[in-house]
Amino acid sequence: GAGVSQSPSNKVTEKGKDVELRCDPISGHTALYWYRQRLGQGLEFLIYFQGNSAPDKSGLPSDRFSAERTGESVSTLTIQRTQQEDSAVYLCASSLGPPGTNYGYTFGSGTRLTVV
Amino acid sequence: DQQVKQNSPSLSVQEGRISILNCDYTNSMFDYFLWYKKYPAEGPTFLISISSIKDKNEDGRFTVFLNKSAKHLSLHIVPSQPGDSAVYFCAASASGTYKYIFGTGTRLKVLA
Repeated sequence: GAGVSQSPSNKVTEKGKDVELRCDPISGHTALYWYRQRLGQGLEFLIYFQGNSAPDKSGLPSDRFSAERTGESVSTLTIQRTQQEDSAVYLCASSLGPPGTNYGYTFGSGTRLTVV
Repeated sequence: DQQVKQNSPSLSVQEGRISILNCDYTNSMFDYFLWYKKYPAEGPTFLISISSIKDKNEDGRFTVFLNKSAKHLSLHIVPSQPGDSAVYFCAASASGTYKYIFGTGTRLKVLA
């Protein structure tokens, strides 16, 4: 597609439920990133995919968080047993190459997750 | 440990004047820096970048300055326009790593 597409754009869920967030990157972008932004804070790195593998999962805050990518395309971020502190905007970005190669990220519009 | 810091959460500037947004970093391994702009309900969009081999990069009304010895970069917008009102994030990366570290952002308001 023309840009990075994320769905849903908004999600309200009850504490303890599982949620799945989806990211469709720009076609041909091999690198895919998930970040989140909690209220009043900066962008927090969660996970990086190169192709379908995830060399860096260091930002996932707990084992309730997991992500996968298939077909070097779509990625899903799953949060199990959601907690109120999971409330944030979850941003997906894709890139042609890694940082430092003049390939900046292209971000999607994000999924605003609210856990009540 | 916040490796990239934007100490001013907000800034107001009169239309036509210069906007200066600042960013400090602590990791001396960082060698590539970006600025992103974010409007409400949209994802951040790439604005301008600079590599550590340079101390200045210019693109139209936007100029980024890098002071490696001070571990400081700044974004200058001249002249500022009301449409520049947004949150600006600086981000840094180190060669061989795969991610950018972002600051907490500065909300710029350009007054007409």
